[in-house]
Amino acid sequence: KQEVTQIPAALSVPEGENLVLNCSFTDSAIYNLQWFRQDPGKGLTSLLLIQSSQREQTSGRLNASLDKSSGRSTLYIAASQPGDSATYLCARFGNEKLTFGTGTRLTIIP
Amino acid sequence: EADIYQTPRYLVIGTGKKITLECSQTMGHDKMYWYQQDPGMELHLIHYSYGVNSTEKGDLSSESTVSRIRTEHFPLTLESARPSHTSQYLCASSEYGVNEQFFGPGTRLTVL
Repeated sequence: KQEVTQIPAALSVPEGENLVLNCSFTDSAIYNLQWFRQDPGKGLTSLLLIQSSQREQTSGRLNASLDKSSGRSTLYIAASQPGDSATYLCARFGNEKLTFGTGTRLTIIP
Repeated sequence: EADIYQTPRYLVIGTGKKITLECSQTMGHDKMYWYQQDPGMELHLIHYSYGVNSTEKGDLSSESTVSRIRTEHFPLTLESARPSHTSQYLCASSEYGVNEQFFGPGTRLTVL
């Protein structure tokens, strides 16, 4: 069974700190990995997409890395802000489907 | 900015009613998806489509049905709603080759 795990399930950090969210997956036959943000009761916003041939992608204060051999991806958020508070989901795309992790609920403390 | 729309955003109905959740996208994407998400839980794929007249069942068994008569439109229908159908339903679309999925705002369904 293809599984995606995100640790920790919840994280609280003071404003301004840098932080790392972790994602691991069991199947190395990965086409791409996508990071999303979900605000309470809302849909998903795509943050970054890493193709299997890539090692990392950057957008503003966000940087995502992909290590297929170890089955891991990380999302690095620099200089965190209260507006970054949300649930962050990673999802691996393989066999024509996205498989989601359960997410990390991030709270930035002003 | 992803152009994918879902209506209604919120729906409260009684048991036994037939409902259709609408999803439309203006990006010309061939692939479209429906996911179900219970509060605090992970998303599960219930239906997907590769294009017009293509529909496939996802990983999670669902009593809903879908149709894809037009590229931009992928409605989901429940013939007889039950309280167990209470959940959030998310629609997404993607382009062949890139496979980056864009999501709509979701429909929160409550069946009494």
